[in-house]
Amino acid sequence: DGGITQSPKYLFRKEGQNVTLSCEQNLNHDAMYWYRQDPGQGLRLIYYSQIVNDFQKGDIAEGYSVSREKKESFPLTVTSAQKNPTAFYLCASRGQTYEQYFGPGTRLTVT
Amino acid sequence: AQSVSQHNHHVILSEAASLELGCNYSYGGTVNLFWYVQYPGQHLQLLLKYFSGDPLVKGIKGFEAEFIKSKFSFNLRKPSVQWSDTAEYFCAVQNYGGATNKLIFGTGTLLAVQP
Repeated sequence: DGGITQSPKYLFRKEGQNVTLSCEQNLNHDAMYWYRQDPGQGLRLIYYSQIVNDFQKGDIAEGYSVSREKKESFPLTVTSAQKNPTAFYLCASRGQTYEQYFGPGTRLTVT
Repeated sequence: AQSVSQHNHHVILSEAASLELGCNYSYGGTVNLFWYVQYPGQHLQLLLKYFSGDPLVKGIKGFEAEFIKSKFSFNLRKPSVQWSDTAEYFCAVQNYGGATNKLIFGTGTLLAVQP
């Protein structure tokens, strides 16, 4: 099955710890995106990558980091510098057309 | 800066009622427009899209949307909703031909359909 997988579905961390969220796609898409979804705020772009070994900050990149060493993978690290990390994180990819395809998301809770 | 406004944050309808969800955007150039839907416990998925041509576009599950350029609007409609339409709906805008193809999302509208 072609698609985007995110793991884990739920993640719990203590404050002060870094945590890495996984995103893998087998759609052969060049572009990948990370969004954060909070109630009443829609989706906000954290980071995006248009090609392997290249990525750019989105609108709310502070406290996050990414890497894009492989076309299929775009992991997101939520660092201890992120002041309000508890949220639902969505990964997306885009091929030759304009539509973005989304993964199932990871719900991160930091206490 | 580009922005997208969804005026209805929470809508409650009875089955068979008609639905219209508002979406307005601020951007003076050419745009691509999207409606995404997130059913409870499921992926965010594309409902319909507008790139060019006929401003009335039809999507999945009987939804349609009309692009009115003069009003910067892309409202979503369905003549008769079903209980299974209960979901959160997001409008999104993308600069046509932009280097990044970033999507700007609205804040979402939570639709609850009562049986």
